[in-house]
Amino acid sequence: QKEVEQDPGPLSVPEGAIVSLNCTYSNSAFQYFMWYRQYSRKGPELLMYTYSSGNKEDGRFTAQVDKSSKYISLFIRDSQPSDSATYLCAMTEGNTPLVFGKGTRLSVIA
Amino acid sequence: NAGVMQNPRHLVRRRGQEARLRCSPMKGHSHVYWYRQLPEEGLKFMVYLQKENIIDESGMPKERFSAEFPKEGPSILRIQQVVRGDSAAYFCASSPTGRVIYNEQFFGPGTRLTVL
Repeated sequence: QKEVEQDPGPLSVPEGAIVSLNCTYSNSAFQYFMWYRQYSRKGPELLMYTYSSGNKEDGRFTAQVDKSSKYISLFIRDSQPSDSATYLCAMTEGNTPLVFGKGTRLSVIA
Repeated sequence: NAGVMQNPRHLVRRRGQEARLRCSPMKGHSHVYWYRQLPEEGLKFMVYLQKENIIDESGMPKERFSAEFPKEGPSILRIQQVVRGDSAAYFCASSPTGRVIYNEQFFGPGTRLTVL
């Protein structure tokens, strides 16, 4: 079993839809959870960062962490064509290297 | 305020040649991380360096790969005797001085290495 599992997609939604992206993980010691957005041929850009369990909201983006289920989610409300990118989840125990999911490719169709 | 800079952006090498990838961290950052992204794969950690020190190289292949971050100048990832399987995008990230938590990393645009 991989440490971090993420459905690669592709996921295609109409403009304005709510998008749900998810990752599962196996290492219960992970404490910090991140979502990165990566446009084609570019470097990853940090979107959201959450410590331990709970929700965090930033504009149209909401990150959720459920440590009991080892499951994290990113929700995008009112999705826009500019949200079309690959979304990578990443996590760490804090003093260990980031472990990334494979990324989910999202297309938002106008 | 310049972000993390990497050069070259694209690098083509023939099998057996050496590849040198450079990374200049963000201003004020003294922690550098290198990652490799193979096609259809996620980012894989390779090495974590501070100035003049390798802190964690648990993700580095045992042979042909080395990294340094000298007191002056950029961090360099060196791949000797490249093979086709080394073709990938190599990303550098940096984090602020004095912070050792791995999460606060800012990524560069990457170097795309193609081995012919």
